Amino acid sequence: DIQMTQSPSSLSASVGDRVTITCRASQGISNYLAWYQQRPGNVPRVLIYAASTLQSGVPSRFSGSGSGTDFTLTISSFQPEDVATYYCQKYQSAPTFGLGTKVEIK
Amino acid sequence: EVQLVESGGGLVKPGGSLRLSCAASGFSFSSWGMSWVRQAPGKGLEWVASISSSSGSYIYYADSVKGRFTISRDNAKNSLYLQMNSLRAEDTALYYCAKAGGGLPAGYYFDYWGQGTPVAFSS
Repeated sequence: DIQMTQSPSSLSASVGDRVTITCRASQGISNYLAWYQQRPGNVPRVLIYAASTLQSGVPSRFSGSGSGTDFTLTISSFQPEDVATYYCQKYQSAPTFGLGTKVEIK
Repeated sequence: EVQLVESGGGLVKPGGSLRLSCAASGFSFSSWGMSWVRQAPGKGLEWVASISSSSGSYIYYADSVKGRFTISRDNAKNSLYLQMNSLRAEDTALYYCAKAGGGLPAGYYFDYWGQGTPVAFSS
């Protein structure tokens, strides 16, 4: 089974910071990678799919990159409403989520 | 507006059964694959099962539930179901109904989620 490893597991950021979260697949998954945001007490929402395609309605400060085994989610200018846990998910065969990255405000 | 409303969760004893339902509206239900994803208290997300669009010919399960859970759909009722048998304490979670945003039946990503229905165990 393909495993998804996210790093870091948590981070603190100041408003306006550039935030980067990485996700590594144990085998190549082409671009079958999605990113989700789950705010405290809320339902997950998709931010990015196909590794780099922004879901409709998601602010442009979110971006995704990567292919194969290494992927990145970037928040270009961190905002207070971005406090959340972020998950990557591969969907090349059985969907598998990373363990999550908890992002807090500094 | 897409809406997914789960129901059927509750307290159950180990070895018991529950049937979860998800009522869908706001999109052409039969045209999209659907899935169940769960989240144990304070933990991350775990995919449970997926069913393909239309007749639901393609069905996939996580190894952790294979042989115990059955996913099904009724397009006439715009509804998704999850029959859960032989329940274990480790099945305790909030169960989300999720609409496929794309991908293949063997692997979807999810563009809409319900609010979830909780499954917990009583001793």
